[in-house]
Amino acid sequence: SQTIHQWPATLVQPVGSPLSLECTVEGTSNPNLYWYRQAAGRGLQLLFYSVGIGQISSEVPQNLSASRPQDRQFILSSKKLLLSDSGFYLCAWTSGRGETQYFGPGTRLLVL
Amino acid sequence: KNQVEQSPQSLIILEGKNCTLQCNYTVSPFSNLRWYKQDTGRGPVSLTIMTFSENTKSNGRYTATLDADTKQSSLHITASQLSDSASYICVVSGGSNYKLTFGKGTLLTVNP
Repeated sequence: SQTIHQWPATLVQPVGSPLSLECTVEGTSNPNLYWYRQAAGRGLQLLFYSVGIGQISSEVPQNLSASRPQDRQFILSSKKLLLSDSGFYLCAWTSGRGETQYFGPGTRLLVL
Repeated sequence: KNQVEQSPQSLIILEGKNCTLQCNYTVSPFSNLRWYKQDTGRGPVSLTIMTFSENTKSNGRYTATLDADTKQSSLHITASQLSDSASYICVVSGGSNYKLTFGKGTLLTVNP
């Protein structure tokens, strides 16, 4: 069966510090991978998606970036965090377009 | 603009009671509609998925309906349990790239 992991589960970072969140998927190959942010009281916002190694599409302009160094690894990064980057970050995968997305457990980020 | 509107924003019911959550969408063209359950601090978990030709789909005590003509969906929860307390998110897939549009969710609280 497929499993999706995210770490860390919780992170508290000062403004201006770098960020690296990791997501890995097990039990499948060539998944489509997604990064979402969920702010308090708001819906999920798609940040990045990837259909293959090294292929990243950005949905919104921001100070975040994403990379996919391996087939089942998706990394969300920032060089300098902003207060507005605080939120709940979710990684998800699908086997193809239009298929159900399976979400990871999420990372709660608090920027102070 | 593709939008998904959910109502009510929040709902409190007593254990054992039934409830119905609403989802209206303007996504076009339409591919499918999903309902997710998100426990606090966790990633969303898929409950049901319906395509254009499906009017109703059940998953245990959860029953989703879809009216593609009026672009409305509902999620009915029967004999609610304390564990049903969560946010329920309506997600519509559409467009040539199967882009997902997320509702902001309905926060359901089931009290004993």
